[in-house]
Amino acid sequence: EDKVVQSPLSLVVHEGDTVTLNCSYEVTNFRSLLWYKQEKKAPTFLFMLTSSGIEKKSGRLSSILDKKELFSILNITATQTGDSAVYLCAGLNQGGKLIFGQGTELSVKP
Amino acid sequence: DGGITQSPKYLFRKEGQNVTLSCEQNLNHDAMYWYRQDPGQGLRLIYYSQIVNDFQKGDIAEGYSVSREKKESFPLTVTSAQKNPTAFYLCASSDRGQGVSQPQHFGDGTRLSIL
Repeated sequence: EDKVVQSPLSLVVHEGDTVTLNCSYEVTNFRSLLWYKQEKKAPTFLFMLTSSGIEKKSGRLSSILDKKELFSILNITATQTGDSAVYLCAGLNQGGKLIFGQGTELSVKP
Repeated sequence: DGGITQSPKYLFRKEGQNVTLSCEQNLNHDAMYWYRQDPGQGLRLIYYSQIVNDFQKGDIAEGYSVSREKKESFPLTVTSAQKNPTAFYLCASSDRGQGVSQPQHFGDGTRLSIL
């Protein structure tokens, strides 16, 4: 059975800290690993990782995929209160189906 | 602006009633999806459609039905057979550029509650 597991489930940090969110996956016919940020409503797309070992960056956020270990991390440096959200990791299979993890709830305190 | 519109934002249902959640997209995406999100859990796939007039069951299709008569519309009906319908429902769509699935983009969701 396909599954995606995120850790930790929740995290509280202070502004300026660096955080690392973890995602392990077991997805049949795996194609890509996606990260989303969810603030109360619609998840917004952050990254799609298809190749192993290539870091993707967007401002203070970065992510990398390890297809040998079936693992991905999302890093956020110099955190801000606006980074507070639930971060969702999902495995995408060749048929276009997304399998989501439980999410990591990040709270950034001033 | 292109995007995905879900309506209504909040919906209340009495026991035994069917309700239909609307999802419209103007992104010209071929594929559309319905997910359910419960507190503290990730998204679970209810139904998806890769093309007009075709759809497949996801992981938790029991008690739900869909139709895909138009490319831009993918309504979800929550039937009285769904025993625990209170949840946050999210619709998504994606393109299949060059035959490869692209990231799914989401609407703002509909929160359904039982009265």
